[in-house]
Amino acid sequence: ELKVEQNPLFLSMQEGKNYTIYCNYSTTSDRLYWYRQDPGKSLESLFVLLSNGAVKQEGRLMASLDTKARLSTLHITAAVHDLSATYFCAVDLAGSYQLTFGKGTKLSVIP
Amino acid sequence: EAQVTQNPRYLITVTGKKLTVTCSQNMNHEYMSWYRQDPGLGLRQIYYSMNVEVTDKGDVPEGYKVSRKEKRNFPLILESPSPNQTSLYFCASSWGDLLNEQFFGPGTRLTVL
Repeated sequence: ELKVEQNPLFLSMQEGKNYTIYCNYSTTSDRLYWYRQDPGKSLESLFVLLSNGAVKQEGRLMASLDTKARLSTLHITAAVHDLSATYFCAVDLAGSYQLTFGKGTKLSVIP
Repeated sequence: EAQVTQNPRYLITVTGKKLTVTCSQNMNHEYMSWYRQDPGLGLRQIYYSMNVEVTDKGDVPEGYKVSRKEKRNFPLILESPSPNQTSLYFCASSWGDLLNEQFFGPGTRLTVL
């Protein structure tokens, strides 16, 4: 059974600071996804990481994937209030098309 | 406008009364999927479909049925709803398979009394 764990589950940070959200998974996979959910809203796709060493960046967010360590990170640079949301990582076993999510990290950026 | 629509957005029903939540996308996507979101449990996949007439179970398929008779539609059917199916449901679609970004519907909040 594939397990996906995110750390931390809750994160409160000040504007301008940097921080990293971690996503560990239990079974070999080279396909990992990050999503964002604003309070009371639906989800939107942020990043699709498809191979070991993949790095994607958009604005103040950068995601990376280390398949050997079964670890993905979502790094936040110089946080701003607009980044306050819940961030989910998800993994699918290669070829399965079945997606398993982490429990999410609720990020609050304080002015 | 490219979008995934779900109906209804809110539904309160009673145990055992069959219901269907519709999902439709206008992007000609092959892959469609249903998820439920519960506090403390995050998102869990119910069913997914790779294309017309091709469906498969996710992590929590018990008590649900789906069909994919047309590419654009992927309804979720609860034949005999129970209170433990009270949840927030999301439909999503993507081009090809999961290797591309998923587009999510607005969600359906279901309460089963």
